[in-house]
Amino acid sequence: AQSVTQLGSHVSVSEGALVLLRCNYSSSVPPYLFWYVQYPNQGLQLLLKYTTGATLVKGINGFEAEFKKSETSFHLTKPSAHMSDAAEYFCAVSVWSSASKIIFGSGTRLSIRP
Amino acid sequence: DAGVTQSPTHLIKTRGQHVTLRCSPISGHKSVSWYQQVLGQGPQFIFQYYEKEERGRGNFPDRFSARQFPNYSSELNVNALLLGDSALYLCASSQPGLAGMNTGELFFGEGSRLTVL
Repeated sequence: AQSVTQLGSHVSVSEGALVLLRCNYSSSVPPYLFWYVQYPNQGLQLLLKYTTGATLVKGINGFEAEFKKSETSFHLTKPSAHMSDAAEYFCAVSVWSSASKIIFGSGTRLSIRP
Repeated sequence: DAGVTQSPTHLIKTRGQHVTLRCSPISGHKSVSWYQQVLGQGPQFIFQYYEKEERGRGNFPDRFSARQFPNYSSELNVNALLLGDSALYLCASSQPGLAGMNTGELFFGEGSRLTVL
């Protein structure tokens, strides 16, 4: 079975600082991995995804993530935080051969200090 | 182009009642998935429908049911509501790959927030 674990339910950084949100996955077959963002009172929006190929994936709003198979990780980073980045971030996994579902982590709330 | 639309946006029910939530996918998308998001948690998969057939089901009781119509819109029905059913119900549409399998890019609506008293 597939699963994702997000380390840290709440992360707070200063504006302009590095953002690092951690995600580890478990999958018996090569996974597809995703980061979604949810702003207050809104649905989820895809930030970036890894399917195959290049392990460093660039997404919207300056975010990127690196797939590390040896560490079963897919951490999300952004070099310089902006106030508008404050939101809930979800890591997710799906597997091509599984039932058609995508499994989400429990989320990390990102706060930005002025 | 319109995104995924859900209705109603908010509703309040009492225990034991029934609720129907509706979802219209993005034009051209043939797959609809339903998720339950309890406050402070990640979305939990309930159902996926593709071409009007159920393609996936999460670990939810039989009180939860869904269907997809010929125009690809969908309804989620919950019977005999419990307090624990209070949540944000999210609908997502996608254009799956082979055999209706989701490869992950879901487009979400803003959700229907259900409160059960």
